[in-house]
Amino acid sequence: QVQLQQWGAGLLKPSETLSLTCAVYGGSFSGYYWSWIRQPPGKGLEWIGEINHSGSTNYNPSLKSRVTISVDRFKNQFSLKLSSVTAADTAVYYCASNGIAVAAWYAFDIWGEGTMVTVSS
Amino acid sequence: QSALTQPPSASGSPGQSVTISCTGTSSDVGGYNYVSWYQHHPGKAPKLMIYEVSKRPSGVPDRFSGSKSGNTASLTVSGLQAEDEADYYCTSYAGTNTHVVFGGGTKLTVL
Repeated sequence: QVQLQQWGAGLLKPSETLSLTCAVYGGSFSGYYWSWIRQPPGKGLEWIGEINHSGSTNYNPSLKSRVTISVDRFKNQFSLKLSSVTAADTAVYYCASNGIAVAAWYAFDIWGEGTMVTVSS
Repeated sequence: QSALTQPPSASGSPGQSVTISCTGTSSDVGGYNYVSWYQHHPGKAPKLMIYEVSKRPSGVPDRFSGSKSGNTASLTVSGLQAEDEADYYCTSYAGTNTHVVFGGGTKLTVL
């Protein structure tokens, strides 16, 4: 059974760069896309972007200018960087797999536990 | 403002059925059969309940069902149970530029 474990800094100052990493255990890393999704306090879920094992990425157009998602296929890990953060980027950030358990596209079937990231001066 | 429109709240008594709608456009919900639904209890990770409009992952009770008509997808929860009380989000593939859009979420209350 695939499991995702995520980590990264939880408190940032405005203008800093958010950095999170997600490790994939117990399943195949190649052949699937891996996503980052966030939820600001009191608000809904927002898809940030995705990457596959070869490094092909797709981003939410509203965040594209500040987001970089990268992959380390030797460690079965993928990472999120979000630059120039503001208070509006305060959220719980989740990593998730795209369809590895249900063999489907755009079905976020396995999730990390979430990381609360707070941006405050 | 979310790309997909969901009612902010829904409710029903134990044993009843509730349907939550998710309205998009022909560029997302209406254009692709990649609509999925997630159950989200506060403090936990979201859980996939329905994918590809109407398919259920292993382990999801058959009380949960999905459908789509035109630009509107629906999640129906039959035989409501107390543990079904949660936030529910829909999402859809939206093409090669936007990729994924979420609904704003619906808070389901079991009365």
